[in-house]
Amino acid sequence: NAGVTQTPKFQVLKTGQSMTLQCAQDMNHEYMSWYRQDPGMGLRLIHYSVGAGITDQGEVPNGYNVSRSTTEDFPLRLLSAAPSQTSVYFCASAGVSYGYTFGSGTRLTVV
Amino acid sequence: EDQVTQSPEALRLQEGESSSLNCSYTVSGLRGLFWYRQDPGKGPEFLFTLYSAGEEKEKERLKATLTKKESFLHITAPKPEDSATYLCAVQAPNNNDMRFGAGTRLTVKP
Repeated sequence: NAGVTQTPKFQVLKTGQSMTLQCAQDMNHEYMSWYRQDPGMGLRLIHYSVGAGITDQGEVPNGYNVSRSTTEDFPLRLLSAAPSQTSVYFCASAGVSYGYTFGSGTRLTVV
Repeated sequence: EDQVTQSPEALRLQEGESSSLNCSYTVSGLRGLFWYRQDPGKGPEFLFTLYSAGEEKEKERLKATLTKKESFLHITAPKPEDSATYLCAVQAPNNNDMRFGAGTRLTVKP
């Protein structure tokens, strides 16, 4: 099925560990983004990309890195996990118009 | 700074009891206002985009309206399957990202 695929669905990390959250879309969308969702705070933009090779920071980029080597993939890297990064992470993509298509999310716990 | 405020935070309705959800926003120009539905454990699902004041969009029991300062999501004769969190987001003309509100958690009891 066409859409946005995120892996893994769940992850537990120890403080200081690093990991990569994967995101892939098969709709040939140029725009992709990463959000985190915390209770009572809504979705907050971490990083986004308007096309392969182009990335930029969103509202809460500290502690995260991204790259966009292909149109399809947009991985999010946690450099040194902290308990404050415990959250649900969503990847989204968008075409020329309409709203975003979101993945099903990755629930991350940092202990 | 772009801001989006949704009210109420939570709303409990009886099946068939119509109501409205509010999304008030401040943005330097409005490229679009978006409504999403989010079920527990899932990603948001796109519902509507509104672009200018006076515009309305409908889908089944849902109707979204837009003024210069706020948007309403009207739910007519809701059913239990309409229970979800409804998110509002705005997009400014000079960027691609969206600013989301915290959402309204709707529960419809049979």
